Amino acid sequence: AQTVTQSQPEMSVQEAETVTLSCTYDTSESDYYLFWYKQPPSRQMILVIRQEAYKQQNATENRFSVNFQKAAKSFSLKISDSQLGDAAMYFCAYRRETSGSRLTFGEGTQLTVNP
Amino acid sequence: EAEVAQSPRYKITEKSQAVAFWCDPISGHATLYWYRQILGQGPELLVQFQDESVVDDSQLPKDRFSAERLKGVDSTLKIQPAELGDSAMYLCASSNGQGHEKLFFGSGTQLSVL
Repeated sequence: AQTVTQSQPEMSVQEAETVTLSCTYDTSESDYYLFWYKQPPSRQMILVIRQEAYKQQNATENRFSVNFQKAAKSFSLKISDSQLGDAAMYFCAYRRETSGSRLTFGEGTQLTVNP
Repeated sequence: EAEVAQSPRYKITEKSQAVAFWCDPISGHATLYWYRQILGQGPELLVQFQDESVVDDSQLPKDRFSAERLKGVDSTLKIQPAELGDSAMYLCASSNGQGHEKLFFGSGTQLSVL
């Protein structure tokens, strides 16, 4: 079974600085997707960024980028120029390549942004 | 952008009572998921539908939980009887079930069992 591990229960960053959230996963599959979701206090799950395992290039979305290390099964999220609105719970998630398969989530990292 | 609708937003019930949650996925989305999220943890899948059929309910406590999606559109998740440990956020998500599909999540139903 696939597992997702986030070893940082809490992280904090100063506004305008950069922070990196860590995620590791375990799978025997060669094709899969990895995601970072943001969950603010409203509890709405918001997709931040997605990475296809077959792509070597790291995904980027504006201030958000990932460092995908397939051999190490590592998938970290870097937030640049942190803003107060980035404060939230961040979840790393895995999904098999098979269409319609489930998302498996990590335990989450609570990010605090200090003004 | 279209949204996944869930109701109620909050539900408070007493132990041993029955509760039901409703989810209306984005129009045309064949795949529907119910997740349970305990405070401070990541969501865990309870049940997954493809149209009206259950494709994964391996983590659903079937002695007290049931889920249906009769016409392959909206879905209801029921708990009977509710227990204290069922207090959690219940999230519904949907996707079009094709290729590199994105999951869209609803705002969830926060259940408190007293």
